Amino acid sequence: KQEVTQIPAALSVPEGENLVLNCSFTDSAIYNLQWFRQDPGKGLTSLLLIQSSQREQTSGRLNASLDKSSGRSTLYIAASQPGDSATYLCAVRPGDDKIIFGKGTRLHILP
Amino acid sequence: EAQVTQNPRYLITVTGKKLTVTCSQNMNHEYMSWYRQDPGLGLRQIYYSMNVEVTDKGDVPEGYKVSRKEKRNFPLILESPSPNQTSLYFCASSLWANYGYTFGSGTRLTVV
Repeated sequence: KQEVTQIPAALSVPEGENLVLNCSFTDSAIYNLQWFRQDPGKGLTSLLLIQSSQREQTSGRLNASLDKSSGRSTLYIAASQPGDSATYLCAVRPGDDKIIFGKGTRLHILP
Repeated sequence: EAQVTQNPRYLITVTGKKLTVTCSQNMNHEYMSWYRQDPGLGLRQIYYSMNVEVTDKGDVPEGYKVSRKEKRNFPLILESPSPNQTSLYFCASSLWANYGYTFGSGTRLTVV
């Protein structure tokens, strides 16, 4: 059974620092992996989608990597800003029927 | 604008009173799904649909119904809501397996 784990559950860093969020999954048979951002009580905003054949994707200050063989993905945020404070969710798509989420990393950027 | 639209955004209801949460997407996506999000439990799939007239149970389907009569709409029906269905609900859609998901803005449901 596919399980997705995100460590740490919460993280506080000073503004301006570069940071890495981690995601691990137990079964490497996935179509893709997607990173989302969620603000408190709000919807999920897709940040990056990495297909199983890809190693990384970049969007602005965000870079996500995927290592399927080891079951790991990282989300790198450069030059963090207070507006980056949110919960970041990792999700893998093992088949047609669903995506499976980790429980998220709650990020707080200190001004 | 490509989007998934859920209504209502907020809903407070009483135990046993039937309700429907609507979901509509304008991207011609084949695949649609409902999730609920609860503290400590994360996001769990309720039902999904891979095409018109095709629906199937997710991980937590008890107490819910869905229908997919048209490609764009996928309503979630609670025939007899109970307090344990108080949650934040999300509808999502995807073109197919190799594509990412697009989520609606969520419906916060409180059952008293």
